[in-house]
Amino acid sequence: AQSVTQLDSQVPVFEEAPVELRCNYSSSVSVYLFWYVQYPNQGLQLLLKYLSGSTLVESINGFEAEFNKSQTSFHLRKPSVHISDTAEYFCAVTSTQGGKLIFGQGTELSVKP
Amino acid sequence: DAGITQSPRHKVTETGTPVTLRCHQTENHRYMYWYRQDPGHGLRLIHYSYGVKDTDKGEVSDGYSVSRSKTEDFLLTLESATSSQTSVYFCAISGDHNEQFFGPGTRLTVL
Repeated sequence: AQSVTQLDSQVPVFEEAPVELRCNYSSSVSVYLFWYVQYPNQGLQLLLKYLSGSTLVESINGFEAEFNKSQTSFHLRKPSVHISDTAEYFCAVTSTQGGKLIFGQGTELSVKP
Repeated sequence: DAGITQSPRHKVTETGTPVTLRCHQTENHRYMYWYRQDPGHGLRLIHYSYGVKDTDKGEVSDGYSVSRSKTEDFLLTLESATSSQTSVYFCAISGDHNEQFFGPGTRLTVL
């Protein structure tokens, strides 16, 4: 079975500052990893995913995440955030062999002017 | 965006009444899911389906039932709604690597 821990429930940050949202996972088998974003009053949207290959994956809006197998982490980073990045972010993991998608509890990113 | 719609988008009902939420997909995906989202609890899986007439329970299935008579539709029924079932309900479908694509949600209030 897999589990996910998002280490921060809330992250306040000023506009144009860098941000890191931390995600650690636990699994005895190979995994796929995902980050989702949820804007207020909307559903979850897939932001980026790690399936295989390069450990650094990027989204179209400037976020990136790095798969670190030795530290079982998949932290999400952005070098310069915008007000519009204010949202809740969820990390998720699933086994490459199939099974359920396991979500973390979410991190609220609040970008202040 | 994945073609997933949910109806209704908002509903207010009274305790003890039955409620059915509908999820419709146009992607022909085999797997479909129902979640509820509540403050402090994140996303919790209610039920899922792995094909027509094939369903299974998630972690919070008590008080809920589901049906899937067609690939494109997955119905969630609250047989006798309670105030504890006030929540936002999301439907999702699976992609090729079990990434899930979510609908817009249904906000249900049980008075």
